[in-house]
Amino acid sequence: QVQLQQSGPGLVKPSQTLSLTCAISGDSVSSNSAAWNWVRQSPSRGLEWLGRTYYRSKWYNDYAVSVKSRITINPDTSNNQFSLQLNSVTPEDTAVYFCARVAATGNDFDPWGQGTLVTVSS
Amino acid sequence: QSALTQPASVSGSPGQSITISCTGTASDVGGYNYVSWYQQHPGKAPKLMIYDVNNRPSGVSNRFSGSKSGNTASLTISGLQAEDEADYYCSSYRSSNTLYVFGTGTKVTVL
Repeated sequence: QVQLQQSGPGLVKPSQTLSLTCAISGDSVSSNSAAWNWVRQSPSRGLEWLGRTYYRSKWYNDYAVSVKSRITINPDTSNNQFSLQLNSVTPEDTAVYFCARVAATGNDFDPWGQGTLVTVSS
Repeated sequence: QSALTQPASVSGSPGQSITISCTGTASDVGGYNYVSWYQQHPGKAPKLMIYDVNNRPSGVSNRFSGSKSGNTASLTISGLQAEDEADYYCSSYRSSNTLYVFGTGTKVTVL
């Protein structure tokens, strides 16, 4: 049974970098049969897919157009986890951030991490 | 990145059936059988209820079912129970640089 455990700060100052980590148990970040995603949720933007990383003989990334210039998702094979970095944050980036797995054979998010509320404020 | 359109709220009495719609375009809902549905209780992460339009993951009640016609997908909850009171979101794969899009969300109230 795959489980995802998120960690990271809940408060980030404007213009700084938001950083979160998602630790994986029951699967491998290097699996050829999964992709590892970040999704956020806010009252103003609803649920929003941010991007993914996955391994298919080499590493790939895909990012949402809305954050493409500011986002990096990296795998950490040593610790079996993956991370989200979002640069130059503004109060509009205040949201609950989730990590989630998508199986290679599908396009649905399961399971999800527990969620992390990140507030952008000075 | 336009969201899929869902009704803001749907309500029903215990035992009744309700249906939630999810309207997109030919580039997402209408173009692929990759619609999924999620249940979210307050303060919790979303939970997968339906995948690939009409498939239930192991452990999800058969009271939940999904369908699709053209650019609109639907989630039906039959035999409504108090525990079904939650927010529900649809999601679809999309043929664009932004690969996945979610619905606006529907609050289900059990009267």
